[in-house]
Amino acid sequence: DAGVIQSPRHEVTEMGQEVTLRCKPISGHDYLFWYRQTMMRGLELLIYFNNNVPIDDSGMPEDRFSAKMPNASFSTLKIQPSEPRDSAVYFCASSLEGSGSPSDEQYFGPGTRLTVT
Amino acid sequence: EDQVTQSPEALRLQEGESSSLNCSYTVSGLRGLFWYRQDPGKGPEFLFTLYSAGEEKEKERLKATLTKKESFLHITAPKPEDSATYLCAVQGGYNFNKFYFGSGTKLNVKP
Repeated sequence: DAGVIQSPRHEVTEMGQEVTLRCKPISGHDYLFWYRQTMMRGLELLIYFNNNVPIDDSGMPEDRFSAKMPNASFSTLKIQPSEPRDSAVYFCASSLEGSGSPSDEQYFGPGTRLTVT
Repeated sequence: EDQVTQSPEALRLQEGESSSLNCSYTVSGLRGLFWYRQDPGKGPEFLFTLYSAGEEKEKERLKATLTKKESFLHITAPKPEDSATYLCAVQGGYNFNKFYFGSGTKLNVKP
């Protein structure tokens, strides 16, 4: 399997512009997670889905952020309008529900480095 | 307040010098505690999940243990390739669906 695929790998945009990050989870995985990582705040969970349904979005910073999962093989994280403080590395991860926790063995993508100027 | 604290922030070891990383948590309703390894410029890589106090898991030179308040990641005879940031995360909270991450321990193993 190709693993979790994220695009783009790098994104540079100006403040106020809309940004869309994309993720393709590992085929057959039930859970999909969006994270943000910065030096100041470390790794933060933004939202996660189970079978395409959002389970917990309490980590989404504010209304400027939205995430969708229209089908089992695709998810987007949108920021509109973007601000300089949104600059970070955004990771997508997926996992397969087993006998334990849904976050057992999360597989992370390579991340999207977002820079908002 | 639910939170996860990792210590030390950074650790320098000589190759072969065993040590332990600590992850303490004050999260109610623990559902699982997870250890990840992260190399620079890459996404975290899953290492272990622990579900209950007393549980232990091993993988090569790494061994993770769990008590009711903390977890340890023991590194035995580390090698330079073990250098990375090690992250601890806890799933729990009032509805067992919250995830809390520690800030990580940056490990540097010198040859």
